[in-house]
Amino acid sequence: ETGVTQSPTHLIKTRGQQVTLRCSSQSGHNTVSWYQQALGQGPQFIFQYYREEENGRGNFPPRFSGLQFPNYSSELNVNALELDDSALYLCASSLIGGGGETQYFGPGTRLLVL
Amino acid sequence: AQSVTQLDSQVPVFEEAPVELRCNYSSSVSVYLFWYVQYPNQGLQLLLKYLSGSTLVKGINGFEAEFNKSQTSFHLRKPSVHISDTAEYFCAVSERGAQKLVFGQGTRLTINP
Repeated sequence: ETGVTQSPTHLIKTRGQQVTLRCSSQSGHNTVSWYQQALGQGPQFIFQYYREEENGRGNFPPRFSGLQFPNYSSELNVNALELDDSALYLCASSLIGGGGETQYFGPGTRLLVL
Repeated sequence: AQSVTQLDSQVPVFEEAPVELRCNYSSSVSVYLFWYVQYPNQGLQLLLKYLSGSTLVKGINGFEAEFNKSQTSFHLRKPSVHISDTAEYFCAVSERGAQKLVFGQGTRLTINP
């Protein structure tokens, strides 16, 4: 069974730039959720994708957007980067419709905005 | 809206001592409860979960937690800790039928030899 993978592991960007983070879900899972974890904080829910559509969103501005592909992998895009976007971005996969209450996390992408 | 409070930001204990990490939650509906562990520079690993049934749940690495509905708590316990348990521990809640996890601020468990 393949776990959740994320790429890249680390990324440095400058303010105003755009970034794309990628996630491959665990085999057999159909749902991907994204979380932002600032230093010293718990993860905050950004949004979730199910059947290639957004299936719930947290309190994040529209410059945070995402995609889910037919193979259930996903991208998180952030436009117009701000210094406060520096964080660990975590992807989690689960299975809706199969007792999918449990989310399994990837190793994360650490983003630094200068 | 749901919320999670982890009552201790840091917990130092000696190796082989017992430990309890406290978690209280707030929700107006039925919930699922989770504990995740985060080792330095890593993602989150599921320790254990309460979905339904027995209120005492056992997880990996010798950890267990007890769901107390009347006190809205889900405290994590281990009878004897090891140096390798040094990590950040997060309690999380999700409403039944919703997939969003709401996390606490985390508790840093430090094991001293």
